Amino acid sequence: NAGVTQTPKFRVLKTGQSMTLLCAQDMNHEYMYWYRQDPGMGLRLIHYSVGEGTTAKGEVPDGYNVSRLKKQNFLLGLESAAPSQTSVYFCASSSFFAGELFFGEGSRLTVL
Amino acid sequence: GESVGLHLPTLSVQEGDNSIINCAYSNSASDYFIWYKQESGKGPQFIIDIRSNMDKRQGQRVTVLLNKTVKHLSLQIAATQPGDSAVYFCAENIGNTGKLIFGQGTTLQVKP
Repeated sequence: NAGVTQTPKFRVLKTGQSMTLLCAQDMNHEYMYWYRQDPGMGLRLIHYSVGEGTTAKGEVPDGYNVSRLKKQNFLLGLESAAPSQTSVYFCASSSFFAGELFFGEGSRLTVL
Repeated sequence: GESVGLHLPTLSVQEGDNSIINCAYSNSASDYFIWYKQESGKGPQFIIDIRSNMDKRQGQRVTVLLNKTVKHLSLQIAATQPGDSAVYFCAENIGNTGKLIFGQGTTLQVKP
């Protein structure tokens, strides 16, 4: 069982570059989330989706965009990366809203 | 404001002892609480949850206690093992907002 899979696992960007993080889940979950985790801080919600074709802003959405074209996939985009976006990004999914979340292994992004 | 906090950033216990990890929350509208365990380099994993209409819930070697009067949550781990070494996060689901707010985490170190 794959669960939640994130790609890539590591990425280094230069300031101003763009990239997309891909999240895929095979549990048929309606709800998907993107969090970022920074040292000394808990996870902070960037964006989330309550179903295919829907997205909504979380606590720290600025500088990020998301899309949920297929139920199993949730993409997180950075249009113009900034050093403040250096972080570990976690995707998660759940069968009910903000309930038990199943997390991926994380994607470590460094912006130089 | 909303906050979920853990009282101690680091907890060190002897193997075989019981561990107690504490969490304080400030939002009385929170109705669902979850404890997650995060091992180094991995995504958080669900441990146990509790709804606001309960004050205690037990799992395998773990117990969560909820005291709504003082807005306090604790995770008790019985007979702590080296494999329990990780960062533990509490998270609260604030009513109809659907937001899952994470605390900053407590690092549990198990001494052999």
